[in-house]
Amino acid sequence: NAGVTQTPKFQVLKTGQSMTLQCAQDMNHEYMSWYRQDPGMGLRLIHYSVGAGITDQGEVPNGYNVSRSTTEDFPLRLLSAAPSQTSVYFCASTVGTGYGYTFGSGTRLTVV
Amino acid sequence: AQKVTQAQTEISVVEKEDVTLDCVYETRDTTYYLFWYKQPPSGELVFLIRRNSFDEQNEISGRYSWNFQKSTSSFNFTITASQVVDSAVYFCALSVAFWWGNKLVFGAGTILRVKS
Repeated sequence: NAGVTQTPKFQVLKTGQSMTLQCAQDMNHEYMSWYRQDPGMGLRLIHYSVGAGITDQGEVPNGYNVSRSTTEDFPLRLLSAAPSQTSVYFCASTVGTGYGYTFGSGTRLTVV
Repeated sequence: AQKVTQAQTEISVVEKEDVTLDCVYETRDTTYYLFWYKQPPSGELVFLIRRNSFDEQNEISGRYSWNFQKSTSSFNFTITASQVVDSAVYFCALSVAFWWGNKLVFGAGTILRVKS
């Protein structure tokens, strides 16, 4: 069982570039989320999904898009990268409310 | 709205000392779940414990113990006889259910440094 797989692990972007962070899980979890981690601020929710075709915004959604065409995949798109989006991004999934979330290993993104 | 407060930004202890990490949460929901995660220097997030709002029993797992008190909205984490390998960032988190799903809200984290 691979769990939650995130790619790439590291990425450097120039301001204005776009890219997609990939997230895939093989546990048949309905719930998937994207978080960003910044020093002193914990993990903040960007977008989440409660199933294929259903997504919603979290606490800090601006500048990011998501879609969920399959149960397994939940990509995060940066439309036009900005230095403020320099962060570590985590994808997570869970089978349902009250169960622990399984996290990917993270993507460290630097926007210059 | 849900909120988790970890007032201790950073704690330093000497090996073998006991240390308690504080967590205070806010929610109006009667059904909710509390979690602790550990993030070692390698960066991954490791699940430690889950507790639901109807179970106020304290839990002990080896050197780790958790004290859940609904009266004070706290879910504190104690490490007994700390070791250098306990050095990490520890996050407390709160999950509540909505009709369309659930969200997991994190505190800002506490950096624990255990010195030998």
